[in-house]
Amino acid sequence: DTAVSQTPKYLVTQMGNDKSIKCEQNLGHDTMYWYKQDSKKFLKIMFSYNNKELIINETVPNRFSPKSPDKAHLNLHINSLELGDSAVYFCASSQTSGGTGELFFGEGSRLTVL
Amino acid sequence: DAKTTQPNSMESNEEEPVHLPCNHSTISGTDYIHWYRQLPSQGPEYVIHGLTSNVNNRMASLAIAEDRKSSTLILHRATLRDAAVYYCILRDYNYNQGGKLIFGQGTELSVKP
Repeated sequence: DTAVSQTPKYLVTQMGNDKSIKCEQNLGHDTMYWYKQDSKKFLKIMFSYNNKELIINETVPNRFSPKSPDKAHLNLHINSLELGDSAVYFCASSQTSGGTGELFFGEGSRLTVL
Repeated sequence: DAKTTQPNSMESNEEEPVHLPCNHSTISGTDYIHWYRQLPSQGPEYVIHGLTSNVNNRMASLAIAEDRKSSTLILHRATLRDAAVYYCILRDYNYNQGGKLIFGQGTELSVKP
C-alpha cells in the first residue's frame, strides 16, 4: 500500500494548457507539501498545508494553485503552462508541521511542457 | 534559512564504509540535522536525524561534532543500492516554520562493485 501516491506519473502537454496533479497520503498525517525538482536536480519547496490550511507559499506564481479538500489530499493545479514549468513535482507528507518528524515523499510526477 | 555544504560527489567500493561529510556553520539552536537520500527516479527518503548526540538506526549512523557545525553520515557497508544523492538538511523544529525541508545540492554517491 503506497503511503504517498501521486497521479499522473507522467504528463506531457502544450504551452498554455491547464493541468492538475493529484496527491493522496494514507498515513494519517496532518501536513502535506509540494516540491519542484528542476532539470538541475534542485528540490525546492512550493507549498505546505497543515490540516487543509496553507502555511507556506514560497513565492510561487499565481498560476499554481494548490487545493486541499481534506487533510489526506493535496492537489496542484497549474494554469497557462509555460516551458519553465517542466520539472518533476513531488508531493510529501509529515505527521505535523513542526518537530522532528520525517517527510514521506511520493514517487514524483514528471511534467513536460512542449 | 540555515545552509549546508556538501561535496558534489563521492565514490565508494561495495561493502566498505562510507563517510559523507556536511558543514553547517550557521546552525541555530532550534535546528535538527536531517539526512535524506534520493535514489534514481524516486522521491527523497528519510535516512536519519539528530540534534546533538550521535544517532544510529538500521540504515546509517550520524556523527555530530561537539559544536554542531558539522556532521557525518556513515554507511557502515555500502551496497550498490546505496548509490544515490544524499542531502544534509537543517530543519527548524518550530511549528511556525511550517516543517519545510530546504534541500541543498547534496552529494552524489556512486558505489563500485
